[in-house]
Amino acid sequence: EPEVTQTPSHQVTQMGQEVILRCVPISNHLYFYWYRQILGQKVEFLVSFYNNEISEKSEIFDDQFSVERPDGSNFTLKIRSTKLEDSAMYFCASRDGGYSPLHFGNGTRLTVT
Amino acid sequence: QQQVKQSPQSLIVQKGGISIINCAYENTAFDYFPWYQQFPGKGPALLIAIRPDVSEKKEGRFTISFNKSAKQFSLHIMDSQPGDSATYFCASCGDGNEKLTFGTGTRLTIIP
Repeated sequence: EPEVTQTPSHQVTQMGQEVILRCVPISNHLYFYWYRQILGQKVEFLVSFYNNEISEKSEIFDDQFSVERPDGSNFTLKIRSTKLEDSAMYFCASRDGGYSPLHFGNGTRLTVT
Repeated sequence: QQQVKQSPQSLIVQKGGISIINCAYENTAFDYFPWYQQFPGKGPALLIAIRPDVSEKKEGRFTISFNKSAKQFSLHIMDSQPGDSATYFCASCGDGNEKLTFGTGTRLTIIP
């Protein structure tokens, strides 16, 4: 069964550094998302992306965050200057059109020290 | 921000018993109500979902009950098994599944 793949599985970075989290969505999917989950808390929406542009973003997704689909297969989340509170599990997700279900990757655990 | 309130936070059920998790939502524009199952180290996986045109949906041992007037929905797991031990999240959204709002999660433990 096709799946969303994320790399790396764990990223450790120092405060103020830039990080790029990478995702390969399911190949025929059209809508792409980033969610995050702070340890022990609920999953929170960050951003949705369709047709090569952001379609919606949350208040968490400030100017420090950006997303890109640099080629036909990858979808990336960049955090420009990481803060301690950015430490979380970041999940990429994708879906087909209409009311199709969301498929999540296994996440990247980001630790900011 | 529109919330989805989930209870209980944790639940212990004996093998073979019925597990029940409840959620309440605020936004009347929500029209899609999925439940996700998450195992440690994995991403959430869609378990079952319902739309408000029906009051119940059953898939195998899993049933969603939906009460539109009360703005509540619940997940029932019949004949609970140790393999069902996981964290369960309810979620809601409207406008074509663009942005899911998740509940706070329920850690379910099935004991022999």
